[in-house]
Amino acid sequence: GAVVSQHPSWVICKSGTSVKIECRSLDFQATTMFWYRQFPKQSLMLMATSNEGSKATYEQGVEKDKFLINHASLTLSTLTVTSAHPEDSSFYICSARGQYKEAFFGQGTRLTVV
Amino acid sequence: AQTVTQSQPEMSVQEAETVTLSCTYDTSESDYYLFWYKQPPSRQMILVIRQEAYKQQNATENRFSVNFQKAAKSFSLKISDSQLGDAAMYFCAYRSHNTGNQFYFGTGTSLTVIP
Repeated sequence: GAVVSQHPSWVICKSGTSVKIECRSLDFQATTMFWYRQFPKQSLMLMATSNEGSKATYEQGVEKDKFLINHASLTLSTLTVTSAHPEDSSFYICSARGQYKEAFFGQGTRLTVV
Repeated sequence: AQTVTQSQPEMSVQEAETVTLSCTYDTSESDYYLFWYKQPPSRQMILVIRQEAYKQQNATENRFSVNFQKAAKSFSLKISDSQLGDAAMYFCAYRSHNTGNQFYFGTGTSLTVIP
């Protein structure tokens, strides 16, 4: 089956620093990747959708300058949280879709900003 | 935008018994996909089952089956012979066939399996 690898699984950073999260499709070409944020015991909140080689489309209320998304290849997308603050602490999940009807998810990244 | 509603925040089932999780959705489209995803404590999202709207036959994957009622816009998940490993959050999701790639998720149902 299709595998999506997200790295790191967890990260702790100091307030004001930037953190990069990688999302890789290991055995398929991901024409579209999605980035979600999930608060405890809540659903997935879509942050942005990115198509390979194009600028990401951000959902309303998501700051594009704070959450930088790059989808430079068919197997890699990155989310960079810039100038992170404690309120950015959350669980971030990527998913990828290629030729399949469904999307496949990474393992998620728990970000803690101290 | 399409909306997906899961009206059961929490459900519980006795081990080996059957449980049904509800999902309704709102759309004006005729061609779309519906999914159930499972999120165990590890928080890895796992696809459980998929249904294409143009198919009348309900999808089945081993102990998991759906009851897809297109006219009623209902898509329930039935788990038979429940196992301890089935305990997780279950999310219902919708994706349009034609208008882009976005998935719309419900708010989730937390399933507890009682030994």
